[in-house]
Amino acid sequence: KAGVTQTPRYLIKTRGQQVTLSCSPISGHRSVSWYQQTPGQGLQFLFEYFSETQRNKGNFPGRFSGRQFSNSRSEMNVSTLELGDSALYLCASSLATSIRTSKYEQYFGPGTRLTVT
Amino acid sequence: AQSVTQPDIHITVSEGASLELRCNYSYGATPYLFWYVQSPGQGLQLLLKYFSGDTLVQGIKGFEAEFKRSQSSFNLRKPSVHWSDAAEYFCAVLNSGYALNFGKGTSLLVTP
Repeated sequence: KAGVTQTPRYLIKTRGQQVTLSCSPISGHRSVSWYQQTPGQGLQFLFEYFSETQRNKGNFPGRFSGRQFSNSRSEMNVSTLELGDSALYLCASSLATSIRTSKYEQYFGPGTRLTVT
Repeated sequence: AQSVTQPDIHITVSEGASLELRCNYSYGATPYLFWYVQSPGQGLQLLLKYFSGDTLVQGIKGFEAEFKRSQSSFNLRKPSVHWSDAAEYFCAVLNSGYALNFGKGTSLLVTP
C-alpha cells in the first residue's frame, strides 16, 4: 500500500506570494492532519480534516488555510507569504475515525520544504 | 492540552551500546503517547505508541518504551544501537483535537 504522498517536495517562493501544498493520504484513510516544522518552533499542529470538515485548527494566523476533497486528498494554502513561513510542511493521515481507539496512528509523508525569499 | 518534554537535545552513544531517550509528559488523564523518528530530509516514522494496558510497549527496529505514571515518563530504549539509528527522535502526546503535541526532539549521534 502506498504511503502518504506530498507534492511538491521542494518549493521556493517570494515574500507576498501565496502557495498551495498537496497531500494524498494512504488509501482508505479519511483523516488528514498538517504540521509545520521549523528549527526554532519545532513541530506544530496546523489543522486536521475528516470527511471534508475541519475538526481542529492550531494557533496559526488566518493566512494558513486548508481543505479536504471527497477523495480525502487535502491541500493547504498559505497566502501573503512571510520569511518566517519557511519550513518543512508535513502531512499525516489516519485510518481511525476516533482517537478513543488503540488503533489511532498518524502516518506522515516526506514533507514539502518551502523556502520563502 | 497535554504536552511532552524531551530534556536531552543531543545524545551521543557508541555503536553497540544501549540507548535511553527521555520523555516526560504533563500531568493529566492517561495520555496517548508516541515515539517517532526522523532521518535527515525525511518525514516522521512511527516507532511505537502507548494507549493503555501494559506499560512496556514494543516497537519497530528493536525499540521499546516504558510508561511510568509515577514519574510521568515514557522513555524510549534500545539494547544495542546501530549506526543507522542516528536520527532525530520525537516524543508526542495526542490531544483531544486529533493534534499531536511534539517535544523538541533529541538528536542521536552514533559513534564507531
